[in-house]
Amino acid sequence: DAGVIQSPRHEVTEMGQEVTLRCKPISGHDYLFWYRQTMMRGLELLIYFNNNVPIDDSGMPEDRFSAKMPNASFSTLKIQPSEPRDSAVYFCASSLIGVHSTDTQYFGPGTRLTVL
Amino acid sequence: QKEVEQDPGPLSVPEGAIVSLNCTYSNSAFQYFMWYRQYSRKGPELLMYTYSSGNKEDGRFTAQVDKSSKYISLFIRDSQPSDSATYLCAMSIIQGAQKLVFGQGTRLTINP
Repeated sequence: DAGVIQSPRHEVTEMGQEVTLRCKPISGHDYLFWYRQTMMRGLELLIYFNNNVPIDDSGMPEDRFSAKMPNASFSTLKIQPSEPRDSAVYFCASSLIGVHSTDTQYFGPGTRLTVL
Repeated sequence: QKEVEQDPGPLSVPEGAIVSLNCTYSNSAFQYFMWYRQYSRKGPELLMYTYSSGNKEDGRFTAQVDKSSKYISLFIRDSQPSDSATYLCAMSIIQGAQKLVFGQGTRLTINP
């Protein structure tokens, strides 16, 4: 399996522009997570989905952020309009819950976002 | 106050040393405890998983949980330069519940 795939790997944009980050989870996984990582705040959960349905979006910082999961193999995180304080590494992760689950979340390589 | 506190370091030790990494937490409901390792420019990957209090050993790595003190530790014996990474603790209340709470991560460097 190729693991969790994220694109783009790097994104540089100007303040006010729309940014769309993409994620393909591991095939067969039923949970998908979006995280943001910064030096100051560490790794923060933004939102997670179960079977394509958003379960908890309490970590989404504000209305400028939105996430969708139109099918089991694709999710997007959109920031509109972007601001310099959104600069961070955004990770997507997926997992499969079963009887012997160990809460293992498999992370993608991340998208490094810089907003100028 | 954060639910999970972890000293961000950086921590630098010579090769072969025993490394101790720690986290404290405030929510007594946490039952499941994990350590993730994150290499530079990569996503975190699960390293160790423990339930409730006690020790768990896997090769050179030992995870300890002391629920009475709300304190967890990861020990690395015979540390190697390849162990250089950021180590994040994570915890959850219910097995299978997906809302993990992460510590800030400790950046570790093992010097040859």
